[in-house]
Amino acid sequence: EVQLVESGGGLVQPGGSLRLSCAASGFTFSSYAMSWVRQAPGKGLEWVSAIISSGVNTFYADSVKGRFTISRDNSKNTLYLQMNSLRADDTAVYYCARGLSGSYCPFDYWGQGTLVTVSS
Amino acid sequence: DIQMTQSPSSLSASVGDRVTITCRASQSINSYLNWYQQKPGKAPKLLIHGASSLQSGVPSRFSGSGSGTDFTLTISSLQPEDSATYYCQQSNSTPWTFGLGTKVEIK
Repeated sequence: EVQLVESGGGLVQPGGSLRLSCAASGFTFSSYAMSWVRQAPGKGLEWVSAIISSGVNTFYADSVKGRFTISRDNSKNTLYLQMNSLRADDTAVYYCARGLSGSYCPFDYWGQGTLVTVSS
Repeated sequence: DIQMTQSPSSLSASVGDRVTITCRASQSINSYLNWYQQKPGKAPKLLIHGASSLQSGVPSRFSGSGSGTDFTLTISSLQPEDSATYYCQQSNSTPWTFGLGTKVEIK
């Protein structure tokens, strides 16, 4: 059974940093592109970042470019999102998601999400 | 960025009704259109990819159509468990953008 379990969310002050993790199981993690997608409270979905299976190529939404860094450790079956210079509008539930059939998108499996709250 | 416009933003229908949700892209996205279902407090679930391909395990009452800029998600016979918000998403080019969602309620 495919499972994606996010962790690392919490309350952080504006300008602070946080690192999210997504532990994958039930599939060959190293064969799949992965993404982070976020959802602000009561709002819609926003794709944040993606990484190719090998980790060589990464992509970012303009809203997080230069502040967030996606990475992965295929030996640990774990995806990461390093978030720096956090702002109030980064407050959201952050989901990790797997690319369908090895492609970047669409996303066929999602984690349960981890809440990031940026507030003083 | 490609803008995705969904309509309606919400609808209310009875069990057994045929329900149609539309999604329009601001430029051609070929058939790179996906539909997701999200229930409150849960992660989104992929329903349709490539405009019309039903994701494994999704009931056949869900179907998708369209190409270019105009797309449709149809629920042929609405069931109580279909109460949810539905999002379209383009995967033609980054950033992979979503529509604002359509909330489907059961009368």
